[in-house]
Amino acid sequence: DTGVSQDPRHKITKRGQNVTFRCDPISEHNRLYWYRQTLGQGPEFLTYFQNEAQLEKSRLLSDRFSAERPKGSFSTLEIQRTEQGDSAMYLCASSPRFAGSFTGLGETQYFGPGTRLLVL
Amino acid sequence: GQQLNQSPQSMFIQEGEDVSMNCTSSSIFNTWLWYKQDPGEGPVLLIALYKAGELTSNGRLTAQFGITRKDSFLNISASIPSDVGIYFCAGPLRGGGADGLTFGKGTHLIIQP
Repeated sequence: DTGVSQDPRHKITKRGQNVTFRCDPISEHNRLYWYRQTLGQGPEFLTYFQNEAQLEKSRLLSDRFSAERPKGSFSTLEIQRTEQGDSAMYLCASSPRFAGSFTGLGETQYFGPGTRLLVL
Repeated sequence: GQQLNQSPQSMFIQEGEDVSMNCTSSSIFNTWLWYKQDPGEGPVLLIALYKAGELTSNGRLTAQFGITRKDSFLNISASIPSDVGIYFCAGPLRGGGADGLTFGKGTHLIIQP
C-alpha cells in the first residue's frame, strides 16, 4: 500500500501528558499537511511542510503543539500538556509538487487514516 | 477566512435513488475537491476540479465546478449501500497557493433499506 500512513491509529492519554503522532506521506509527495477534525466538523488546517520547511501554521496551532519533518520525509506532531479539548482526530495529508505553471495539482491532498486522540 | 457552505446537511434516501449535493462559497476558488469519509477513517478523494465550468465523472459520481467559481455540486447516480458516509467539499484556504484546505461541514448520506 503506497498511501499516507499514520501511527498510532488510536491514543488514549491523561490530561497533562505529552503525545506524539507520526505521519508517513506518499513517497513522491514533497508537501505534508496536518489537520484536526472534531465531531460533526470538517477537517481544520493546522500546519504544512514543503520538504523539511514548515511554511505555515494556523492560529489553531497553540504553543503546546509542535510539528517537525526533519528529513523531508515523515513528520511528527507533538502535543505537550494535553487538555481535554485536544480530543479529536488528527489527520495527515500529502500532495505532489506543482508541475511547472499552476495547475492546481499541488492542492490535491491525499489523507491518511488519522489518529484518534482521547484525553481523559 | 473562507467558509464553505454545504447542503443539505443530511440526506435520507433509498437504495437506487440519485443524490445531489452542493457547496457554495462567498469567495472565488481555483480548485474544488470532493471527499468521502467513513466513520473512523480519513477523507478519501473522490473528484478534483481545476477549471470553472469543468464537469468530471468518476464512475457513478459526477461533479461540476461552477462558472462563477463560487460553487460546486456532486451527483451520485443509482446509490448503493456503500455510498453511505459523509461527503465534504474543500478548496484552498487562500488563492492558488500550497497552503491548507478549508472544508465544508459535510453532507451526511444515509441510505434507508
